[in-house]
Amino acid sequence: ETGVTQTPRHLVMGMTNKKSLKCEQHLGHNAMYWYKQSAKKPLELMFVYSLEERVENNSVPSRFSPECPNSSHLFLHLHTLQPEDSALYLCASSPSRFSGRGYNEQFFGPGTRLTVL
Amino acid sequence: GDSVTQMEGPVTLSEEAFLTINCTYTATGYPSLFWYVQYPGEGLQLLLKATKADDKGSNKGFEATYRKETTSFHLEKGSVQVSDSAVYFCALSDGNKLVFGAGTILRVKS
Repeated sequence: ETGVTQTPRHLVMGMTNKKSLKCEQHLGHNAMYWYKQSAKKPLELMFVYSLEERVENNSVPSRFSPECPNSSHLFLHLHTLQPEDSALYLCASSPSRFSGRGYNEQFFGPGTRLTVL
Repeated sequence: GDSVTQMEGPVTLSEEAFLTINCTYTATGYPSLFWYVQYPGEGLQLLLKATKADDKGSNKGFEATYRKETTSFHLEKGSVQVSDSAVYFCALSDGNKLVFGAGTILRVKS
């Protein structure tokens, strides 16, 4: 496997279910990100991890719970979701989180298409 | 806060037509600017970037010039192909995070 992989690619769940999304990066990067992509809306940054420490949480509801056990893996645990949480969830990684005036390129996985019934 | 505005789509063109997708931004300081592309069923890929005013980013026949005076970074391609059909995202970065526009769907017909 190369790049950033995400599983599952598609997930359908009821509002009372508990499920997890998994992301794995094979690039040796130190920072990982969760984004939410909804139709006709800009990508929303949800969480940022740098060296396995959560450094940003953009007012995301507690029904979304991230976990970063090591620099290669990132999870998003889901419970008691709402139908409006249906979206494409994208994971990304970058060499580091901070880069001063330079650009810190993010590499994206293919996403998990989540449908909440 | 920083923001990116790009033209609404979908943009539908015939093969070999000229493409322009407009992008303007609002930012404090001097951000870097990017275009990402998302092909069907895939994640986002960096298409091109420019890190300072008057820089021109280019890749795969696409070009965009960082215009500080008009706070714009319009994407252009002289002759589009069916394989260019995708969603295009304009974005800016202050070095710490990316701020994306809403995306523009491009459909190219043969």
